[in-house]
Amino acid sequence: GESVGLHLPTLSVQEGDNSIINCAYSNSASDYFIWYKQESGKGPQFIIDIRSNMDKRQGQRVTVLLNKTVKHLSLQIAATQPGDSAVYLCAENPSDGATNKLIFGTGTLLAVQP
Amino acid sequence: ETGVTQSPTHLIKTRGQQVTLRCSSQSGHNTVSWYQQALGQGPQFIFQYYREEENGRGNFPPRFSGLQFPNYSSELNVNALELDDSALYLCASSLDSVNEKLFFGSGTQLSVL
Repeated sequence: GESVGLHLPTLSVQEGDNSIINCAYSNSASDYFIWYKQESGKGPQFIIDIRSNMDKRQGQRVTVLLNKTVKHLSLQIAATQPGDSAVYLCAENPSDGATNKLIFGTGTLLAVQP
Repeated sequence: ETGVTQSPTHLIKTRGQQVTLRCSSQSGHNTVSWYQQALGQGPQFIFQYYREEENGRGNFPPRFSGLQFPNYSSELNVNALELDDSALYLCASSLDSVNEKLFFGSGTQLSVL
């Protein structure tokens, strides 16, 4: 039978289009948020982060938006390329005051069609 | 490349056995965290080591234990392996122990038969 959790949410886009990946976080006290990219067989690779005193932060071809009111985080990728195909993980730091502990979402699979 | 290296890359064990996974942190980083990532899931926090002491732990039983050495490298030990321990084990290092960015290694894929 099927195993719960193997069916990641998937976003399929055409090369050159913009991608928007969404994430809902759980802890109102979280004050630090990170997006990671994970390719098959590899560890998560840092993309961009944002602290709770900001609503938006831009990097190279990527933008992260934070809406604390509805506990929502999004990652925008401009001009998506085939090399962007991967699982994208959002993570929140619940600010326990003692560790760098991150709570991760399940992830979204981004499939870029050439 | 993050500079965080893990060994071995793959490992096969049987139920009841014990396993040790190793991690070398990025140069200049004094904190190491371990995560377990089951297939199709996000990583789950196991514990964090700072200055050779465990200073934070997730919801994992005591048969998951670790060490950090003076050079900040680390080991994850799992005793009495169970089938559900099959997962990708990720090590991450950071500059300091609180609110810092994590840099992950490529992980050790553990299969328990």
